Amino acid sequence: QKEVEQNSGPLSVPEGAIASLNCTYSDRGSQSFFWYRQYSGKSPELIMSIYSNGDKEDGRFTAQLNKASQYVSLLIRDSQPSDSATYLCAAPATGNSGYALNFGKGTSLLVTP
Amino acid sequence: EPEVTQTPSHQVTQMGQEVILRCVPISNHLYFYWYRQILGQKVEFLVSFYNNEISEKSEIFDDQFSVERPDGSNFTLKIRSTKLEDSAMYFCASSEGTAIGYGYTFGSGTRLTVV
Repeated sequence: QKEVEQNSGPLSVPEGAIASLNCTYSDRGSQSFFWYRQYSGKSPELIMSIYSNGDKEDGRFTAQLNKASQYVSLLIRDSQPSDSATYLCAAPATGNSGYALNFGKGTSLLVTP
Repeated sequence: EPEVTQTPSHQVTQMGQEVILRCVPISNHLYFYWYRQILGQKVEFLVSFYNNEISEKSEIFDDQFSVERPDGSNFTLKIRSTKLEDSAMYFCASSEGTAIGYGYTFGSGTRLTVV
């Protein structure tokens, strides 16, 4: 069973700090990874995708991928209370036709003023 | 910004009844999906749909479930005989390409409560 694992948290950071969210995956064949943000009672919203080893930056968000270690992370700089949400890591369920995404259980982030 | 639209936002049904959840994907997207999220649990894949047929389905998507694209815009999920354990948030999603290359855009969801 291909898994995407995340620490459920909650991760609490003060406003203005860097929040670091981590994800590991079991399928070495995974080629792409996605971070979604989900506010309570709402649907997941795509924040970033990453396909290559290294860092990818988009505004206050940086995704990091290390395929050798099967590790993906999301850094949020200058965290704001509005960033308080559950962050979901996802990877395609490879080994089949590649239509499905496997989601982790998510890490709950709380940014305190 | 283009949206995936789902109706209804909340549906309460009695066990054993049939329900149809409706979705309007983003117009230029070619791949359509249904996911569900039981309260407090992770988002789970149900089915993907491409070129007017099911392209992939999970073990959850048994004979009680079916999907249809009845016209050029709507995408529906039917549960024939609902069970208590079908209570969940159901999300429709669409994408330009397969999951390997593209993330999804999710709709706002339908909360299904089976009593």
